[in-house]
Amino acid sequence: DSGVTQTPKHLITATGQRVTLRCSPRSGDLSVYWYQQSLDQGLQFLIQYYNGEERAKGNILERFSAQQFPDLHSELNLSSLELGDSALYFCASSPGTSGTREQYFGPGTRLTVT
Amino acid sequence: GNSVTQMEGPVTLSEEAFLTINCTYTATGYPSLFWYVQYPGEGLQLLLKATKADDKGSNKGFEATYRKETTSFHLEKGSVQVSDSAVYFCALSPNSGGSNYKLTFGKGTLLTVNP
Repeated sequence: DSGVTQTPKHLITATGQRVTLRCSPRSGDLSVYWYQQSLDQGLQFLIQYYNGEERAKGNILERFSAQQFPDLHSELNLSSLELGDSALYFCASSPGTSGTREQYFGPGTRLTVT
Repeated sequence: GNSVTQMEGPVTLSEEAFLTINCTYTATGYPSLFWYVQYPGEGLQLLLKATKADDKGSNKGFEATYRKETTSFHLEKGSVQVSDSAVYFCALSPNSGGSNYKLTFGKGTLLTVNP
């Protein structure tokens, strides 16, 4: 158990809909990262938050957004869903301090868009 | 930009065989290097890490040495078990200032160990 929790575990929704994925980092970790895992693209970095502020963006679509709340949990919002958004979405956390770079991953949310 | 290339497999071995999964990287400076493992239906678990040249990361019988001269971080295990069957990912984290340590992953290598 990494200490990172994600809900829900599975999500099935229709094209055009909007969903919210939730992540709680390990106790004390300030950084939250979101990754998308798909068969064709592999593991892709989406976005990072550090202590409530957006710190880095990767291959994140404009239809996707995220935020980190004062209690450090994070939410990833996916809107106008398309079939190609079906994937595993992972959240990871790290202390975010210099010299401590390993990230601890949650169990993931499997999104299926029909 | 940063990139990681690893042998894609799949790799199929018999129990107690020797394992090598090759990983090479492209990055500026001295990134940190990692191996993560993903068991079926689960998230990624950190297997081992190395943060500077010539460091050797090790865990659960797995080892990898950070080779700056060949930009490599090959994963090895002397005697694999059926329970090692999983997907293995090589990854790097850039040596940037601040707190942006996003991971760049290889495509993953599926390992199957038969009894």
